[in-house]
Amino acid sequence: QKEVEQNSGPLSVPEGAIASLNCTYSDRGSQSFFWYRQYSGKSPELIMSIYSNGDKEDGRFTAQLNKASQYVSLLIRDSQPSDSATYLCAVDDYKLSFGAGTTVTVRA
Amino acid sequence: DTGVSQDPRHKITKRGQNVTFRCDPISEHNRLYWYRQTLGQGPEFLTYFQNEAQLEKSRLLSDRFSAERPKGSFSTLEIQRTEQGDSAMYLCASSGRTSGHTDTQYFGPGTRLTVL
Repeated sequence: QKEVEQNSGPLSVPEGAIASLNCTYSDRGSQSFFWYRQYSGKSPELIMSIYSNGDKEDGRFTAQLNKASQYVSLLIRDSQPSDSATYLCAVDDYKLSFGAGTTVTVRA
Repeated sequence: DTGVSQDPRHKITKRGQNVTFRCDPISEHNRLYWYRQTLGQGPEFLTYFQNEAQLEKSRLLSDRFSAERPKGSFSTLEIQRTEQGDSAMYLCASSGRTSGHTDTQYFGPGTRLTVL
């Protein structure tokens, strides 16, 4: 299975700040990338998918992909306490390869 | 639109017992996946089905594990002779191919297995 590495956490940010999450992957041929959010004790919930180099924005979330650097990131703007969760980066050929996740805590 | 459902949500069993989990995918999805997640780790792929055909099994899936999807709808995952190391969250996901891109997988709530 492909290797997916995420920046180690936990990441603590104040409410209203930007949380920045990073992910690198080993297989240069990977084409599909996903960010999932997982609350404690719950299952992963899809936040964003990205397939092309560049930025993709959805509300307060922006995913960035750089295939040449084998790097994908997620920015959470105007962080809210409800954003406190573990964020999982996943790379797909037909089966998802996940990173270990980065736990984000938003301080009120 | 109902999402992926899994049953049971929690299972506590004694070592050596057999357990079976069920997953009902989103109705129009033809692909179904099983993952296992332990504390502090991301989910790990176990196996997947396209319709009723099991197309791949991870080496994590020892011969004590078996999965079926007999009619291409719901799936079952059975673990025989459970061991304490089998304690984990078992996640099911389903997907249907969207044009031009790899499937997006949607996860069920998971079955948390505790082996005593």
